[in-house]
Amino acid sequence: AQTVTQSQPEMSVQEAETVTLSCTYDTSENNYYLFWYKQPPSRQMILVIRQEAYKQQNATENRFSVNFQKAAKSFSLKISDSQLGDTAMYFCAFMKHGSGNTGKLIFGQGTTLQVKP
Amino acid sequence: EAQVTQNPRYLITVTGKKLTVTCSQNMNHEYMSWYRQDPGLGLRQIYYSMNVEVTDKGDVPEGYKVSRKEKRNFPLILESPSPNQTSLYFCASSSNQRAGGPAGELFFGEGSRLTVL
Repeated sequence: AQTVTQSQPEMSVQEAETVTLSCTYDTSENNYYLFWYKQPPSRQMILVIRQEAYKQQNATENRFSVNFQKAAKSFSLKISDSQLGDTAMYFCAFMKHGSGNTGKLIFGQGTTLQVKP
Repeated sequence: EAQVTQNPRYLITVTGKKLTVTCSQNMNHEYMSWYRQDPGLGLRQIYYSMNVEVTDKGDVPEGYKVSRKEKRNFPLILESPSPNQTSLYFCASSSNQRAGGPAGELFFGEGSRLTVL
């Protein structure tokens, strides 16, 4: 069974600075997706970034980038130039890809990020 | 605007009173699923549907029913709600890949906060 672990329950960062959220996962699958979702106080789940395991290049979306280390089963999220609107809970998630994919997302426990002015 | 719409957003009910949480998506997605989010337990999959008339259990299906008569709708039914079903519920959808199962990103609704007294 797959598991996703986020070891940082809470983090804080000053506005305009950079912060990195950690995520590790465990799987015997070779083909999968990894995601970071953001859940602001409005509670909506918003996709921040996604990574296909077969791609060696790290995904980037504007101020958000990941460090994907497949061998180490590590998938960290870096937020550059942090903004007050980045304050939210962030979830790392895993989904199996390919045949037999039921679409189930396995979520970590979440990291609450506070951006301070 | 592409979206997943859930109703109601908030509901307080009593034990045993049947209720339905509706979910509708306008993206012509084949795949839809339901999750519940509880403190300390993260998000867990309740049921999923690969396409019309095709549904299957997720990790926590007890006490819930679903149906998929139309592509755009995937209602979650609580026949006899109990207090342990007090939770935040999310509906999500995705297009399918050729091999079956979601092509990756799940699009989430805004969530439905359910309280069972």
